[in-house]
Amino acid sequence: GDSVTQMEGPVTLSEEAFLTINCTYTATGYPSLFWYVQYPGEGLQLLLKATKADDKGSNKGFEATYRKETTSFHLEKGSVQVSDSAVYFCALKVPPGNTDKLIFGTGTRLQVFP
Amino acid sequence: DARVTQTPRHKVTEMGQEVTMRCQPILGHNTVFWYRQTMMQGLELLAYFRNRAPLDDSGMPKDRFSAEMPDATLATLKIQPSEPRDSAVYFCASGGAGESDTQYFGPGTRLTVL
Repeated sequence: GDSVTQMEGPVTLSEEAFLTINCTYTATGYPSLFWYVQYPGEGLQLLLKATKADDKGSNKGFEATYRKETTSFHLEKGSVQVSDSAVYFCALKVPPGNTDKLIFGTGTRLQVFP
Repeated sequence: DARVTQTPRHKVTEMGQEVTMRCQPILGHNTVFWYRQTMMQGLELLAYFRNRAPLDDSGMPKDRFSAEMPDATLATLKIQPSEPRDSAVYFCASGGAGESDTQYFGPGTRLTVL
């Protein structure tokens, strides 16, 4: 079935370090891909998305490129800040059909220290 | 700034008691989702509605959980009777017909069943 696999956390970095959080997926057809972020004590919020192969989603300095050939959607940021400490969820939406469901990964906790 | 609202934000109750959680989706959104988040299981989809009709409740324990949408501005999730293993954060999310890919999450209800 359709699924998302994320790297295990926590990811611990110093401020201004480069961030990569890996995400791979299994899906029938051509899904839309998402990264959501959850700050402490809050609900998830959309960080970025890409709807077709080779699309790059970007927001707040974060980027991810939809790679169909490697079925990946890795999240990157060139220089992290303490305020980026949160849990990051990769997700996919199955191809057009009679469903609005998102399939989420298990989440990766990022901890950034000054 | 349109937001999903959830009440109560925190609930502590004793085993066997009924618990009702409420969600007000963003005005104009036609899909509503209920999720449960725990450390052990991560984020689980319990049920979702489109145009107030339940489309999928396969993630919900049927014997004690029920979800309804009495009207377009209110979704409820009820647990009766509650058990300690129901302790979790319950999130509601809504999605709009115009951008059905994106789900907007509420702040969650933290439930503790003693």
